[in-house]
Amino acid sequence: AQTVTQSQPEMSVQEAETVTLSCTYDTSESDYYLFWYKQPPSRQMILVIRQEAYKQQNATENRFSVNFQKAAKSFSLKISDSQLGDAAMYFCGRGGNNNDMRFGAGTRLTVKP
Amino acid sequence: NAGVTQTPKFQVLKTGQSMTLQCAQDMNHNSMYWYRQDPGMGLRLIYYSASEGTTDKGEVPNGYNVSRLNKREFSLRLESAAPSQTSVYFCASSEAVGIGYEQYFGPGTRLTVT
Repeated sequence: AQTVTQSQPEMSVQEAETVTLSCTYDTSESDYYLFWYKQPPSRQMILVIRQEAYKQQNATENRFSVNFQKAAKSFSLKISDSQLGDAAMYFCGRGGNNNDMRFGAGTRLTVKP
Repeated sequence: NAGVTQTPKFQVLKTGQSMTLQCAQDMNHNSMYWYRQDPGMGLRLIYYSASEGTTDKGEVPNGYNVSRLNKREFSLRLESAAPSQTSVYFCASSEAVGIGYEQYFGPGTRLTVT
């Protein structure tokens, strides 16, 4: 099975500090993309950031950035200047042209004031 | 725009009962999806519809049926509910299937089968 692994079930960070969430994946496709979704207690899934595998430059969205290591099949999410509103479950995943979207099991992020 | 809406938000069923989860999107998207979310397992794709008139199985289709009623609506039916189908169900839509198309999610339906 082509899987996505998030090895940190829970993480915590102090407000205003930086935290990195880990993700590794497996795929046999040459064309694919990777993403991080945030799920706050409201249950709404919100796209945080995405990256097409063919792009070498790491994606950045404001305080959120990724470290994409294609050879190692690693796609970590860095949150800078953490805010209380960042507390949520974060899901890493990958998708491709055949719509075989796979999600990891999630990392619960707690932000301490 | 409401985005993706799902009804109901919560449902309790007895084993063997049937029900249909409704999903609608107002973004004129071609593709729609149904996922289930179980603790410790992330989201898993049940069925999807790449375009109006087509449906395809995802990772965990057993025990479910779907109908793409029109471009806006995509329903998920449990013909004979089982406790293993207790889960949170999410509907999503995207402009099309594949790389480059973001999926937008509904608020989810929490289903309990006793």
